[in-house]
Amino acid sequence: DVKVTQSSRYLVKRTGEKVFLECVQDMDHENMFWYRQDPGLGLRLIYFSYDVKMKEKGDIPEGYSVSREKKERFSLILESASTNQTSMYLCASSSAGQGAYEQYFGPGTRLTVT
Amino acid sequence: SQQGEEDPQALSIQEGENATMNCSYKTSINNLQWYRQNSGRGLVHLILIRSNEREKHSGRLRVTLDTSKKSSSLLITASRAADTASYFCATEETSGSRLTFGEGTQLTVNP
Repeated sequence: DVKVTQSSRYLVKRTGEKVFLECVQDMDHENMFWYRQDPGLGLRLIYFSYDVKMKEKGDIPEGYSVSREKKERFSLILESASTNQTSMYLCASSSAGQGAYEQYFGPGTRLTVT
Repeated sequence: SQQGEEDPQALSIQEGENATMNCSYKTSINNLQWYRQNSGRGLVHLILIRSNEREKHSGRLRVTLDTSKKSSSLLITASRAADTASYFCATEETSGSRLTFGEGTQLTVNP
């Protein structure tokens, strides 16, 4: 059974703190993605990675960075958390190459920045 | 910017009825996918339809795709209370492998 796990379901941080959100997949997928989900705005892509040590900016990368040192792990970093980064964060992974592939999602991390 | 736009934003029906959700998009696509999200959880893939396909079935789900109108519909037949969730369409554009999601339709199936 395919699995994407995220390090925390709920997280509360203070403004200015450095925040790490971890995502691990066990499907040997090449592609990994970080989204944030906000009411009325749907899912918005923050960053994605198509290989180890590779990253691409999504639609809203400002205030975030990512790290992919191993194929199975993709980390989202908030260098200095702000209240407007309070959101649901979703990680996903997919296969790469020719053809169309579905994305597999983790359960999400609900981050509150106070 | 959002590629897919779902319609309606919210839908409330009785158990046993059919539910139809629509999705419109703007650019050329490789495929269109539908996902489901239960409250507070991650998304689960339901069905994928390629740009050269017009209709696809999976159990109680039926998806249609009209590339000339840049639209898709998801039909859930004989709905159940357990179908209550948000449903999202996502498009993979011809320019790359990333998906762009719409804002979703919140479906409530009343027992």
